[in-house]
Amino acid sequence: GENVEQHPSTLSVQEGDSAVIKCTYSDSASNYFPWYKQELGKGSQLIIDIRSNVGEKKDQRIAVTLNKTAKHFSLHITETQPEDSAVYFCAATPASGTYKYIFGTGTRLKVLA
Amino acid sequence: DAGVTQSPTHLIKTRGQQVTLRCSPKSGHDTVSWYQQALGQGPQFIFQYYEEEERQRGNFPDRFSGHQFPNYSSELNVNALLLGDSALYLCASSLFNSEQFFGPGTRLTVL
Repeated sequence: GENVEQHPSTLSVQEGDSAVIKCTYSDSASNYFPWYKQELGKGSQLIIDIRSNVGEKKDQRIAVTLNKTAKHFSLHITETQPEDSAVYFCAATPASGTYKYIFGTGTRLKVLA
Repeated sequence: DAGVTQSPTHLIKTRGQQVTLRCSPKSGHDTVSWYQQALGQGPQFIFQYYEEEERQRGNFPDRFSGHQFPNYSSELNVNALLLGDSALYLCASSLFNSEQFFGPGTRLTVL
């Protein structure tokens, strides 16, 4: 069935270091992969996304890479700051014609000052 | 420009009761999706509404129902509440099939 696995579940890094979160999806027809940052009381913010026809996308300190053959995608945050501390979720959309997102189980990122 | 808003923020109910959660989409959006997020888990898709009709449904029982109004706002109704329904309920809006923007959620506790 449709499934997205996310690792690690928790990640602690020193301020200024890089953080990498990895996700693997099961449906090879998935074509859209968003990443959300969830903070208590603030809801979930879309921070970056990538479509299946692109291998990499970057937005300032945040980048996402996609390997369609291996069916995995990763979030990279460089020069981490304390305000990057949050829970991050990856998601994938199954085959076209469906509208739901399949989410990973989340990664709690702590950036230590 | 207000983003996605949800009400109430928190809610406490007892088993067997019924609950209604509300969502107002981001300005310009016409599609509303609802997700259930249990503690420590990722959001699970409940259903999506477009043009006042349920367009797609996830693996949730019929106790979960919804509605979309002409102004695109939406309600999620849950009947015969179970302890396991305790979760954060998220509403997301989008313009048809574009990227989804999430609201802050409603925390439901069933005692």
